[in-house]
Amino acid sequence: QQQVKQSPQSLIVQKGGISIINCAYENTAFDYFPWYQQFPGKGPALLIAIRPDVSEKKEGRFTISFNKSAKQFSLHIMDSQPGDSATYFCAASMGSSNTGKLIFGQGTTLQVKP
Amino acid sequence: EAGVTQSPTHLIKTRGQQVTLRCSPISGHTSVYWYQQALGLGLQFLLWYDEGEERNRGNFPPRFSGRQFPNYSSELNVNALELEDSALYLCASSLSSNQPQHFGDGTRLSIL
Repeated sequence: QQQVKQSPQSLIVQKGGISIINCAYENTAFDYFPWYQQFPGKGPALLIAIRPDVSEKKEGRFTISFNKSAKQFSLHIMDSQPGDSATYFCAASMGSSNTGKLIFGQGTTLQVKP
Repeated sequence: EAGVTQSPTHLIKTRGQQVTLRCSPISGHTSVYWYQQALGLGLQFLLWYDEGEERNRGNFPPRFSGRQFPNYSSELNVNALELEDSALYLCASSLSSNQPQHFGDGTRLSIL
């Protein structure tokens, strides 16, 4: 019940296309859902985050869509660029329970072809 | 503004040895978190320190321990190293508990 399941494991998209990464969770106590971007040799960088009271959040080319009833959330990268090639992780936490713990999905390796 | 800094960047140890990893949070951040990123296992929560106290720990044996200093920097100690401890150890910090976590670039630990 503590798991966050992420798919696909890897993704290849043409430059200018839309990249979509999906995550699903079981624990309804999760109330904070961030996405992280990790380049080789670097730590994860916070990209965008959402809380369950909104269904969508957009920051530049990055959009999180959140479906509370289905317990799913997804990251959409519009106009994907080669510089977006990285590993993306979704995560979830129980902020209201104040555990400090982020539970991560297994990651998606995105390759954007020029 | 400087990000989360970790040292050393790389470390090679042998089985049974002990290791100490260090982390300096972003200035003004009081919470520090440690995660293990092992190949094939993803990112696993290890420890959370806030205001000098251990607030939560993940499902790791007691040979993983740490502390947070009055300046909010932190150390992660691993005793009796095992081959499966080979991983990237990531430190994150946040302004306070329940705030977004920002990660450093990690310490790559290799056990021979």
